[in-house]
Amino acid sequence: DQQVKQNSPSLSVQEGRISILNCDYTNSMFDYFLWYKKYPAEGPTFLISISSIKDKNEDGRFTVFLNKSAKHLSLHIVPSQPGDSAVYFCAAPVTSGGSYIPTFGRGTSLIVHP
Amino acid sequence: KAGVTQTPRYLIKTRGQQVTLSCSPISGHRSVSWYQQTPGQGLQFLFEYFSETQRNKGNFPGRFSGRQFSNSRSEMNVSTLELGDSALYLCASSSQGEVGYGYTFGSGTRLTVV
Repeated sequence: DQQVKQNSPSLSVQEGRISILNCDYTNSMFDYFLWYKKYPAEGPTFLISISSIKDKNEDGRFTVFLNKSAKHLSLHIVPSQPGDSAVYFCAAPVTSGGSYIPTFGRGTSLIVHP
Repeated sequence: KAGVTQTPRYLIKTRGQQVTLSCSPISGHRSVSWYQQTPGQGLQFLFEYFSETQRNKGNFPGRFSGRQFSNSRSEMNVSTLELGDSALYLCASSSQGEVGYGYTFGSGTRLTVV
């Protein structure tokens, strides 16, 4: 049973426009969320995170919004650039045995057209 | 500093064979986690090793096993390979099992079972 869901497998956006990637979760105990970006033939790299005590976190062109009541978060990229074309994973860590184990969504493939 | 190194990058095996994949973490990192990435399922957690002990385990059959050495290098083994084991296998290392900036992925090993 997927606790973190990314329902859009792909998204196509024009360069300069806003990209909005969505993520839903089912476990109300999640209190921290992360976004990872993955290029082909590379491992995922950490992009941005948000704690459940906040509803927004911004880092340059990337902003993550959290709506706890809806169990929904979104990643906004403004303006989108061709180099942003990648697969984006939403993740929520669960604590276990002294570690944080991220539970990942299935990813959204973003294509930014020049 | 050097990143997470996974070897080999590509591997083709026959159904029924076994395979061993290697992961060298970032120097000083003691936690190594393994993931399976397939197009339909996204990143799924296999197991985590910390100081040579398996600390967490995902929901995979016993054909998937791993170990960690005293220098923190880790190996995972898959026995009696099935066609469905074809995937990208990623490892990630961290200092203590934290996520976010301190959680670094390798580029993965692409396993194809024929």
